Amino acid sequence: AQTVTQSQPEMSVQEAETVTLSCTYDTSESNYYLFWYKQPPSRQMILVIRQEAYKQQNATENRFSVNFQKAAKSFSLKISDSQLGDTAMYFCAFMKHGGGGSNYKLTFGKGTLLTVNP
Amino acid sequence: EPEVTQTPSHQVTQMGQEVILRCVPISNHLYFYWYRQILGQKVEFLVSFYNNEISEKSEIFDDQFSVERPDGSNFTLKIRSTKLEDSAMYFCASRRGQAYGYTFGSGTRLTVV
Repeated sequence: AQTVTQSQPEMSVQEAETVTLSCTYDTSESNYYLFWYKQPPSRQMILVIRQEAYKQQNATENRFSVNFQKAAKSFSLKISDSQLGDTAMYFCAFMKHGGGGSNYKLTFGKGTLLTVNP
Repeated sequence: EPEVTQTPSHQVTQMGQEVILRCVPISNHLYFYWYRQILGQKVEFLVSFYNNEISEKSEIFDDQFSVERPDGSNFTLKIRSTKLEDSAMYFCASRRGQAYGYTFGSGTRLTVV
């Protein structure tokens, strides 16, 4: 079974600064995806960024980027130029790839509550 | 952009009553899921559904729960004889295919009193 650990329950950052959220995971699988989801106060789960494990290049989406260290099983999220609208709970999630539809469930970490201060 | 639609957004029910949570996945998606988030806790997998049958379910998904895709568009989660500990946010999600990520609905907050 896979586990996802987010060791920072809460973090805060000043507007326009950069913040990094940590995530580690444990798996024996070699082929998988990793995700960061954002959950604002509206409670909707919004995909921020995804990384395929077979890709060495770190994924980037505008102000959001990841540092994927496969050997260390680490997947951190960096948010640059933080904005007030980035205030949310951020969840790291793991998804095994391959073997049929049933293997595509998401395993979530406990989340990190990020507050962006003006 | 296509959305996964969940109704109602909030439901309050008496303990012991049955509830049905409704979801309309994205039309060309093939895989459907229910997840649950108890307040302050992490999001947990309940069940996955593909080709008109359950493909996997978690230990949480016991006989109290059932899912159905009755008409090719709706995807429902039924909870029979609700308990206080069923109070949570329930998320429906769908996925187009194996290489694609999830699209989540905005959730139904279930409160059992």
